[in-house]
Amino acid sequence: KAGVTQTPRYLIKTRGQQVTLSCSPISGHRSVSWYQQTPGQGLQFLFEYFSETQRNKGNFPGRFSGRQFSNSRSEMNVSTLELGDSALYLCASSADSPKGYTFGSGTRLTVV
Amino acid sequence: AQTVTQSQPEMSVQEAETVTLSCTYDTSESNYYLFWYKQPPSRQMILVIRQEAYKQQNATENRFSVNFQKAAKSFSLKISDSQLGDTAMYFCAFMNRDDKIIFGKGTRLHILP
Repeated sequence: KAGVTQTPRYLIKTRGQQVTLSCSPISGHRSVSWYQQTPGQGLQFLFEYFSETQRNKGNFPGRFSGRQFSNSRSEMNVSTLELGDSALYLCASSADSPKGYTFGSGTRLTVV
Repeated sequence: AQTVTQSQPEMSVQEAETVTLSCTYDTSESNYYLFWYKQPPSRQMILVIRQEAYKQQNATENRFSVNFQKAAKSFSLKISDSQLGDTAMYFCAFMNRDDKIIFGKGTRLHILP
């Protein structure tokens, strides 16, 4: 059974640009969550999607957005990139959330 | 606000020893879930163990066990017979009724040969 797949693994962007990250959940998982991990702030919740609807949202500016497709694949978009957006972005999927989420290996975004 | 605190930023133990990682949390909810995740250098977060707050029995997964003290809001992880492959960052996490996971800052664990 394939795990959670995140693409790309690494990304370098310039300040002011926008970026789209992709996450393919485990087959059958309908819930997808996104987290930002930085050395200073640790792991912070961005948002969660279930059946193409955003169910929860963290405390991030509107530059951070996401969506989920009918096949449960999810994308997150960051517009007008800032240096502080440099982070590891982790995606996690779940079939039944109380049982815990399965995480992908993340996308390392560097903004220069 | 719900918070998760891991008071040990870094720990080192010899291979085969037992180590305990501490975690405390704060919530006003009565029903929730607690997790320990492991993040090795490969970056992938791996679920180590899960505890449901309404269950009094401490969860166990092979060499990993927890000491869950609900009244004290404490959730420590014990690793028995530690192995080199246990070297990783360990995160304690709390899931609220909104299914949002709140993570602690992590404990970096080194298993020494």
